[in-house]
Amino acid sequence: SAVISQKPSRDICQRGTSLTIQCQVDSQVTMMFWYRQQPGQSLTLIATANQGSEATYESGFVIDKFPISRPNLTFSTLTVSNMSPEDSSIYLCSVGRGAYNEQFFGPGTRLTVL
Amino acid sequence: GQQLNQSPQSMFIQEGEDVSMNCTSSSIFNTWLWYKQEPGEGPVLLIALYKAGELTSNGRLTAQFGITRKDSFLNISASIPSDVGIYFCAGQKTAGGTSYGKLTFGQGTILTVHP
Repeated sequence: SAVISQKPSRDICQRGTSLTIQCQVDSQVTMMFWYRQQPGQSLTLIATANQGSEATYESGFVIDKFPISRPNLTFSTLTVSNMSPEDSSIYLCSVGRGAYNEQFFGPGTRLTVL
Repeated sequence: GQQLNQSPQSMFIQEGEDVSMNCTSSSIFNTWLWYKQEPGEGPVLLIALYKAGELTSNGRLTAQFGITRKDSFLNISASIPSDVGIYFCAGQKTAGGTSYGKLTFGQGTILTVHP
């Protein structure tokens, strides 16, 4: 498995502001991902965080709204920009480990936008 | 985006009963994974399946990778109160290309166990 930490664990933010979420892994990993889990829903992939290059976004997610950084193989950030109440969700990072890149998840960041 | 069809959506059972849940997909996956999520936590990997037909156990949990590679089931035997949580299936494509490593999740099964 992997030891994955996220900061902050939760936050309450005002509409129109931005929040940057950090994800730290205990050892180097090739693959890192960011997911969104809306209240009472399943997980939806936002993007793949690529080290040294731009993130790869899924349909419905754009870089201007969710800029991602991946400066090295143990760290990534996701920014939720110009927030609205619809952005209230749990944001989770995950890393691929093992021969088949099984994904292990961080504890999540619980975001509430007022 | 694409989602897996997971059922049932919720289950209310007595302690000691067995539980079964399943996932189906219209597309093929190379790997099936089952996760459990408890309140305030991220999903925790329970079982990973890598080959069609594979049957794998982890304690009281047993999961199978369907022959068609489009479905999987998870069984929990002799349930206990700490089994409470949301169980998610996820399909993963591990072939090359832009889909590599990405997970597609089912809607989740909410399990409640009455003592």
